[in-house]
Amino acid sequence: DTEVTQTPKHLVMGMTNKKSLKCEQHMGHRAMYWYKQKAKKPPELMFVYSYEKLSINESVPSRFSPECPNSSLLNLHLHALQPEDSALYLCASSQEARQGSRNSPLHFGNGTRLTVT
Amino acid sequence: EDQVTQSPEALRLQEGESSSLNCSYTVSGLRGLFWYRQDPGKGPEFLFTLYSAGEEKEKERLKATLTKKESFLHITAPKPEDSATYLCAVQAGNYGQNFVFGPGTRLSVLP
Repeated sequence: DTEVTQTPKHLVMGMTNKKSLKCEQHMGHRAMYWYKQKAKKPPELMFVYSYEKLSINESVPSRFSPECPNSSLLNLHLHALQPEDSALYLCASSQEARQGSRNSPLHFGNGTRLTVT
Repeated sequence: EDQVTQSPEALRLQEGESSSLNCSYTVSGLRGLFWYRQDPGKGPEFLFTLYSAGEEKEKERLKATLTKKESFLHITAPKPEDSATYLCAVQAGNYGQNFVFGPGTRLSVLP
């Protein structure tokens, strides 16, 4: 079992649907991440939230909309997706690193397998 | 630009046959190198963090080492349950939150 919980585990949606992915952690981490992973590829960073504020957006299309309601929760709102958006979406968290200090590792959830039809 | 490569891309071992996986990196100002294990359909599972050249970490049959240009993950007497994709990631820069992942090594251990 991981300490980062993602729901749902599987999601099938049409290109006109609106859906949301949810992520929760209770490790007291202040940085939360969304990654996208295609088959046999490494995870690709999408968004980073630091202290509940968006700090990194890796030029992700606007059909993906992140939200961080509080320090334990992270959502990814999906709208008008394309079939090529089908992938494993991973949420991760880490302790926020202060400048000059060593960084802590990412802790991942088990992901949401998204299929866009 | 920060870059991480891993070799081999895939590795098949017999149970008990020890080997090493390589992670080479080109970054400015390494702040940490991380090893992960990923099983199919699951999220990456954290294994080790290495911060400076010469550092070593061990856990069961796995040992990770770090030099100024690369890291090795040594697997001693592997078992079939060690079969997975092993990913390394680096974090660099002054205050970065971006972990750059290598492409991974797919390890298969045959009984």
